[in-house]
Amino acid sequence: SQTIHQWPATLVQPVGSPLSLECTVEGTSNPNLYWYRQAAGRGLQLLFYSVGIGQISSEVPQNLSASRPQDRQFILSSKKLLLSDSGFYLCAWNPGGAGANVLTFGAGSRLTVL
Amino acid sequence: AQTVTQSQPEMSVQEAETVTLSCTYDTSESDYYLFWYKQPPSRQMILVIRQEAYKQQNATENRFSVNFQKAAKSFSLKISDSQLGDAAMYFCAYREYGNKLVFGAGTILRVKS
Repeated sequence: SQTIHQWPATLVQPVGSPLSLECTVEGTSNPNLYWYRQAAGRGLQLLFYSVGIGQISSEVPQNLSASRPQDRQFILSSKKLLLSDSGFYLCAWNPGGAGANVLTFGAGSRLTVL
Repeated sequence: AQTVTQSQPEMSVQEAETVTLSCTYDTSESDYYLFWYKQPPSRQMILVIRQEAYKQQNATENRFSVNFQKAAKSFSLKISDSQLGDAAMYFCAYREYGNKLVFGAGTILRVKS
């Protein structure tokens, strides 16, 4: 069966420090991968998605970047964090292909920027 | 871009009773998917139910069912026999081209014992 792992679960970082959140999927190949952000008490905003290694699409201009160095690995990064980067970050995946639709989410990473 | 609107920020229901959460969406597509996700206090996103737009029959999953009105672009979730474990934030979502999901702002459901 497929599983998705996301870490770290909680992170407290000072303004201006770098960020790296990692997500990996097991039990499948060539998944579509997504990073969403959820601000406190609000809905989910799609940040990045990837349909293959090295293929990253950005949905909104921001202080963050994403990379997919391996088929089942998706990394969210920042060189210098801003206060506004605080939030709950969710990685998700679904099978590649035209018929795929259901997203499966990781447990999330709570980022607090001080 | 497609938008998803959940007009009820919060809802309350008595245990064992029925509650309906509203969702409307905007699209020019004729074939698409709609979803309801549940986010309990653990913040894990859990798929509750999904609906394929080309299917006229409303989807059901045990105590959860939807009322899909394609012409009205409405997709409400009905929870029957509400349980304390149903307390969560519920998100309506629309699947865009390319497998991306667009989410509504969410509805917090409180269940009273």
